[in-house]
Amino acid sequence: DTGVSQDPRHKITKRGQNVTFRCDPISEHNRLYWYRQTLGQGPEFLTYFQNEAQLEKSRLLSDRFSAERPKGSFSTLEIQRTEQGDSAMYLCASSPTPGYGYTFGSGTRLTVV
Amino acid sequence: ILNVEQSPQSLHVQEGDSTNFTCSFPSSNFYALHWYRWETAKSPEALFVMTLNGDEKKKGRISATLNTKEGYSYLYIKGSQPEDSATYLCAFSPGNTGKLIFGQGTTLQVKP
Repeated sequence: DTGVSQDPRHKITKRGQNVTFRCDPISEHNRLYWYRQTLGQGPEFLTYFQNEAQLEKSRLLSDRFSAERPKGSFSTLEIQRTEQGDSAMYLCASSPTPGYGYTFGSGTRLTVV
Repeated sequence: ILNVEQSPQSLHVQEGDSTNFTCSFPSSNFYALHWYRWETAKSPEALFVMTLNGDEKKKGRISATLNTKEGYSYLYIKGSQPEDSATYLCAFSPGNTGKLIFGQGTTLQVKP
């Protein structure tokens, strides 16, 4: 297992377009987390899954954001009708249980122009 | 609102200096406190996960302590090296979901 992988690494999109990011966690990890990080800030929680179930979604997440984890394996994060304020680094992480540290992916840097 | 505060925001030290950072977190509903190191162009890397009041953990020249009653953790780096240059993030876990609330990070620059 090569760790957590995210695709793409970089995405530039025009305002109003839809984008989708993918995260492949470590296969033994049943918990998967999405975070967003903007310049000068720490990562901000978006949502998390235990297996295929989405157990919590941040109130900061508007209806334009949706995430899925079909079959409890990879996950996708979709942003519809992107806005300039969506420009950020989107990080995915996985862990086997709550008491363990996260393994992070390299992130997807989104730029909305 | 659950806030995690880290200080200082940034730090510049000379090679060989020892340094420490502070992380303040809510003392209620505590489950765990994490420290991560995030080097430029890499993924954040887990350093420590601490759960018990009074915990002390060590990894090479880096160590951390935890006080859950007063809501703070210290990270120490002994004899800083240029390769220690990174942003150090602490994160508080409120409850056993594994969800983390991160501080804004302390960016360390070690000059040779």
